[in-house]
Amino acid sequence: AQKVTQAQTEISVVEKEDVTLDCVYETRDTTYYLFWYKQPPSGELVFLIRRNSFDEQNEISGRYSWNFQKSTSSFNFTITASQVVDSAVYFCALMTISSGSARQLTFGSGTQLTVLP
Amino acid sequence: KAGVTQTPRYLIKTRGQQVTLSCSPISGHRSVSWYQQTPGQGLQFLFEYFSETQRNKGNFPGRFSGRQFSNSRSEMNVSTLELGDSALYLCASSRTPTGGNYGYTFGSGTRLTVV
Repeated sequence: AQKVTQAQTEISVVEKEDVTLDCVYETRDTTYYLFWYKQPPSGELVFLIRRNSFDEQNEISGRYSWNFQKSTSSFNFTITASQVVDSAVYFCALMTISSGSARQLTFGSGTQLTVLP
Repeated sequence: KAGVTQTPRYLIKTRGQQVTLSCSPISGHRSVSWYQQTPGQGLQFLFEYFSETQRNKGNFPGRFSGRQFSNSRSEMNVSTLELGDSALYLCASSRTPTGGNYGYTFGSGTRLTVV
């Protein structure tokens, strides 16, 4: 069975602070994908990144960066110099694709990020 | 380009009724998945369709069903509605079942309230 844990339910920071959202996953499959999504108040889930299990390179995209560590089963997300517009719920998700495994996203419970001006 | 379109945006139904939700994926996307989001259970997978075939189904009762048409549009149906079915229902599409480099694109969802 797959499981994604986002232990931080809510985080509040002041604008321009850096913030890291934690994600820990569990799976017995060796081939899988990890995702991060952002959900603003409008409700739509916005895709941020997909990383496959064979690619442990860290990724940077503007103010966003992701740290993938298979040794600790973690896929953490850092926002540098946070802005008020970053306020949203952030979800980490896992998909396993090995033979016989259902292709579905297993989501964590989400982290509500509030960036104060 | 147009995103994933879900209709209606809001719906209020009475217990025992049935409801049909619609999802139009991005043009060229053949994979459509449905998720239920509730405050208590979070985001849970309902089912996935690819090329008009249901490939996967989540752990939901038989009252939840769906289908996909030849133009990749999908519908999900919930029969004999219960109060616990009140949720945001999200549809997602992608070119491939694993999401590809751009992941799944989600619609804005249908907010279903059962009274």
